[in-house]
Amino acid sequence: GAGVSQSPSNKVTEKGKDVELRCDPISGHTALYWYRQRLGQGLEFLIYFQGNSAPDKSGLPSDRFSAERTGESVSTLTIQRTQQEDSAVYLCASTRETANYGYTFGSGTRLTVV
Amino acid sequence: AQSVAQPEDQVNVAEGNPLTVKCTYSVSGNPYLFWYVQYPNRGLQFLLKYITGDNLVKGSYGFEAEFNKSQTSFHLKKPSALVSDSALYFCAVRPGSARQLTFGSGTQLTVLP
Repeated sequence: GAGVSQSPSNKVTEKGKDVELRCDPISGHTALYWYRQRLGQGLEFLIYFQGNSAPDKSGLPSDRFSAERTGESVSTLTIQRTQQEDSAVYLCASTRETANYGYTFGSGTRLTVV
Repeated sequence: AQSVAQPEDQVNVAEGNPLTVKCTYSVSGNPYLFWYVQYPNRGLQFLLKYITGDNLVKGSYGFEAEFNKSQTSFHLKKPSALVSDSALYFCAVRPGSARQLTFGSGTQLTVLP
């Protein structure tokens, strides 16, 4: 596609429920990143995928968070047993193999846990 | 570990005046530096980057940034601000050895008419 597509754009969920967020990167972009942006704060790195290599999960805040990506296609970020502190905008970005090109971000998914 | 500091949470400037949004960084090795802009309810948009070469980098919408190695800074500048430049600006750094960007906390720029 022309840009990075994320769905849903907004998600309201009850505390304790699981949620799944989707990211469809730009075709040909081998690298894919997930970031979290809490209200009024900067971006917090969560996880990075590069082709078929093992993902860099060093930013995942707890074992309730997981992400998958098959090859160079769609990625899903799953949050289990959501907590109120998980409320944030979750941003996905993709880039060509060398990040010298900079990231192309999606519009994000705004997650609200009530 | 790398880090980025944006010392100003908020910058206000009158339309037509020059603007500067400050960024300093800490990284081992040669840094790759980026500026992104975020408009309300939108994702981040790439503005410009410094990888190597000239210290003055020109980017989108008339913005430029100057890489200063001795001061470890990468301030964003524009000679004449527009009201439409009002947005949240993020500085980011990536050391050559890493793959992910580390972002600053952001600076809210408000251009007053």
